Amino acid sequence: QSVLTQPPSVSGAPGQRVTISCTGSSSNIGAGYDVHWYQQLPGTAPKLLIFGNRNRPSGVPDRFSGSKSATSASLAITGLQAEDEADYYCQSYDSSLSGSVFGGGTKLTVL
Amino acid sequence: QVQLQESGPGLVKPSETLSLTCTVSGGSIISYYWSWIRQSPGEELEYIGNIYYSGSTDYNPSLKSRVTISVDTSKNQFSLNLSSVTAADTAVYYCARVYTYDNGGYYNNWFDPWGQGTLVTVSS
Repeated sequence: QSVLTQPPSVSGAPGQRVTISCTGSSSNIGAGYDVHWYQQLPGTAPKLLIFGNRNRPSGVPDRFSGSKSATSASLAITGLQAEDEADYYCQSYDSSLSGSVFGGGTKLTVL
Repeated sequence: QVQLQESGPGLVKPSETLSLTCTVSGGSIISYYWSWIRQSPGEELEYIGNIYYSGSTDYNPSLKSRVTISVDTSKNQFSLNLSSVTAADTAVYYCARVYTYDNGGYYNNWFDPWGQGTLVTVSS
């Protein structure tokens, strides 16, 4: 059972908007630690998608956006494309565990 | 552009020590933290530990008794040793660069870039 909880799967049609939630607790997101998001395409390593809750690294399309509120965070993807089909993971820091923690991952299917 | 590459045996016997090396190219290992992260088949990502180029380390408490991470700045490499392995340690092992910052008194970090990963199977 992951410290950060994500829905196992989400889906959407091309062009639509989907959101992926990441729920934590008072020892991680709720304590004030930032959330970061990664995209893992099939058979590849995770790639940084969002850092510091809402910041996109150079080269990441602005179709991807992040937000954080209280004990949770969200990743939104607008204008869905077939190439967005991947697993998405959130990550934060947990003071009780004294280390980085990840969500269980969410598989995005583009219908 | 910094690139990372993991190397090491793909098969380790139970009770033995898993040893991997991460080679950093396109940039210096100096002035950064570096990390090992693993992903069991079909499972979530698990943070193993960090090392600063100076040699200071931080380990996941759940693995701390079995983990040693070291750094060789002359070779631009850092390494992972995981002792007394069992089948539960079978996973893809990734190395990554760590960005750390303080946000109002809160330590934060993210991982970028990552190596391509290497599958290590624990089996006799």
